[in-house]
Amino acid sequence: EIVMTQSPATLSVSPGERATLSCRASQSVSSNLAWYQQKPGQVPRLLIYGASTRATGIPARFSGSGSGTEFTLTISSLQSEDFAVYYCQQYDNWPTFGQGTRLEIK
Amino acid sequence: EVQLLESGGGLVQPGGSLRLSCAASGFTFSNYAMTWVRQAPGKGLEWVSTIGGSGGRVYYADSVKGRFTISRDNSKNTLYLQMTRLRAEDTAIFYCAKVPDGDNFYFDYWGQGTLVTVSS
Repeated sequence: EIVMTQSPATLSVSPGERATLSCRASQSVSSNLAWYQQKPGQVPRLLIYGASTRATGIPARFSGSGSGTEFTLTISSLQSEDFAVYYCQQYDNWPTFGQGTRLEIK
Repeated sequence: EVQLLESGGGLVQPGGSLRLSCAASGFTFSNYAMTWVRQAPGKGLEWVSTIGGSGGRVYYADSVKGRFTISRDNSKNTLYLQMTRLRAEDTAIFYCAKVPDGDNFYFDYWGQGTLVTVSS
């Protein structure tokens, strides 16, 4: 099983600032990496797939980068609706998710 | 508009069985693999099982292999998850989700989920 580790567990950022979330795989997953956003009481929403391709309807302030074992989700200018939990997921092998990063208002 | 609607959750005793359903609409159901993902209360996401578009290929997480069976009825646009020998640690919200891209198992649309509680 490929273990996905996200950091930090909680990130406090002010609205309008940039947020950088990290995800590390225990072995290479090439670019087979997705990011999801989940708000309280809501279902996960696909943000990024292929490590860097935005899903349909996702604003340009969300960007993904990385390959192999190190990945980053960047939100360039935080809006109030962006405060949520973010999960990375690899699909190079049987799918596994990271434990999540909670993005909270500073 | 893609819609996925799960049903069948509820309270079941340890060792019991339950069948979940997911009714799909808004896309050509048989063209896409489908997945079940679960989320224990207050916890993260865990992939459970995926089935190919024709139903011929099925995949399971080790944690449910031998206890859960995924299936689909393309004539009814419905996905199923038969769960047997349920354990307390199976307590979770179960989501069905669509796989948009062949054998690349990421998930673009999710249902609202159905809660399964395993408790005596």
